Amino acid sequence: SYVLTQPPSVSVAPGQTARITCGGNNIGSKSVHWYQQKPGQAPVLVVYDDSDRPSGIPERFSGSNSGNTATLTISRVEAGDEADYYCQVWDSSSDHPYVFGTGTKVTVL
Amino acid sequence: EVQLVESGGGLVQPGGSLRLSCAASGFTFSSYWMHWVRQAPGKGLVWVSRINSDGSSTSYADSVKGRFTISRDNAKNTLYLQMNSLRAEDTAVYYCARPIDYYDSSPFDYWGQGTLVTVSS
Repeated sequence: SYVLTQPPSVSVAPGQTARITCGGNNIGSKSVHWYQQKPGQAPVLVVYDDSDRPSGIPERFSGSNSGNTATLTISRVEAGDEADYYCQVWDSSSDHPYVFGTGTKVTVL
Repeated sequence: EVQLVESGGGLVQPGGSLRLSCAASGFTFSSYWMHWVRQAPGKGLVWVSRINSDGSSTSYADSVKGRFTISRDNAKNTLYLQMNSLRAEDTAVYYCARPIDYYDSSPFDYWGQGTLVTVSS
């Protein structure tokens, strides 16, 4: 089955930029979605189809996808951005087509 | 306003059964595929199952295939997950989720608050 690998943690100071990677075999050929999950809460979609934002999501959240790596970028990081972030793709060739990444804990210093 | 409200979780012994429900409102439930996603304590998100809009097509993760059954009642705007032969490793918060659109690769833009299932003796 398709595997998505994320770094376990990323630390960033307020006002700086956080970059969270999501690695997968030829992931650039797939649409990547990103979710934010705060403790005790349900996930929230923050970026979909590589780089689109749902309504209500700040422009500070952006995404890119090429080759074997997709990236979620959070600009001008705020304390409220501290959360777990998961990438997700749909793998049409798999019996388990909806695949989530391993998750990255973003800590705001 | 779109709302998804899960219920039915609880403590169950290994080998037991449980049925989860997800009550939907604020959108045309019968038009959307629906999904179940679970999260074991302290772990990541794992897709469990999905059902198409009229209930005629379903799919499951290998880990639950043959034990779990997804279904829906469009007249009641409710999604179900029947879980049989439960194992300790099925312990998790179970979320129902709605995709943003009508295509297979569509992301999940609405999630319920989750219901906790604990499998333990």
